[in-house]
Amino acid sequence: GAGVSQSPSNKVTEKGKDVELRCDPISGHTALYWYRQSLGQGLEFLIYFQGNSAPDKSGLPSDRFSAERTGGSVSTLTIQRTQQEDSAVYLCASSLGDRRWTEAFFGQGTRLTVV
Amino acid sequence: DQQVKQNSPSLSVQEGRISILNCDYTNSMFDYFLWYKKYPAEGPTFLISISSIKDKNEDGRFTVFLNKSAKHLSLHIVPSQPGDSAVYFCAASAQRGGSNYKLTFGKGTLLTVNP
Repeated sequence: GAGVSQSPSNKVTEKGKDVELRCDPISGHTALYWYRQSLGQGLEFLIYFQGNSAPDKSGLPSDRFSAERTGGSVSTLTIQRTQQEDSAVYLCASSLGDRRWTEAFFGQGTRLTVV
Repeated sequence: DQQVKQNSPSLSVQEGRISILNCDYTNSMFDYFLWYKKYPAEGPTFLISISSIKDKNEDGRFTVFLNKSAKHLSLHIVPSQPGDSAVYFCAASAQRGGSNYKLTFGKGTLLTVNP
C-alpha cells in the first residue's frame, strides 16, 4: 500500500486477555516506531526499530508489552494480560531511516479498549 | 512530569485571521522541535520543524518561532483556513545523543477555523 497500514482499526478486549496489533510500514522504510496516545494525553514513545539494529524498547511501560519486527518489515505489538489503563490509540510510523525521522509517516492507529 | 506542554486544549479563530498555537518545554536538552497536524481517525502528519540554531522557520502560511531563553515556541498560521481545523501537536527531540528519533509530544491543541 501507499501508506502505513495498521490493523485492526478498533479492538475491544476483556481485561486479562492478550492482544496483538499489527503494523505494515511503507515499503523500503527501514525505521519503524510505535507510539500510543491515551485519552487527553500526547503521543508517548514506546519502541523503535532501525534495520537490523537492536530495538530501543525504553518506552515500553511494562513487561506485559513486547514488539517484534519480522524480516525488517511488518511489526507486531503484543500486550499480555491487558489492563484498563492500556486503553489508548496505538500509532505506528515508519521512515526511510533514523536520520529521516522527521519524514516519518504515521498510520491511522489502532484504538484499543479494555473492558 | 510533562516535558512538552501545550496549555491551550483548544483555539477558535475566524477564517482569514491568524492562528497562534503555543508550546513550552522544560528539558534544556531539546534542540529540535516539530509541529504535527492530526485530523480525526488519521495519523499525525508532519507540518514544520525548527532547529535550536534558528529562531524562525517559515513554510507558506506556516511559521514557527522559537524562543530558547523562554523555552517557548509558537506556530503561526496566516491566513487561517477552515481546512486547517485539526489537532496540532508540538514535539521535541534531543539531537545530541543516540536517541534523536525519540519524540516527546505535547497533549495537542484543537484548532477550529470558522468560515
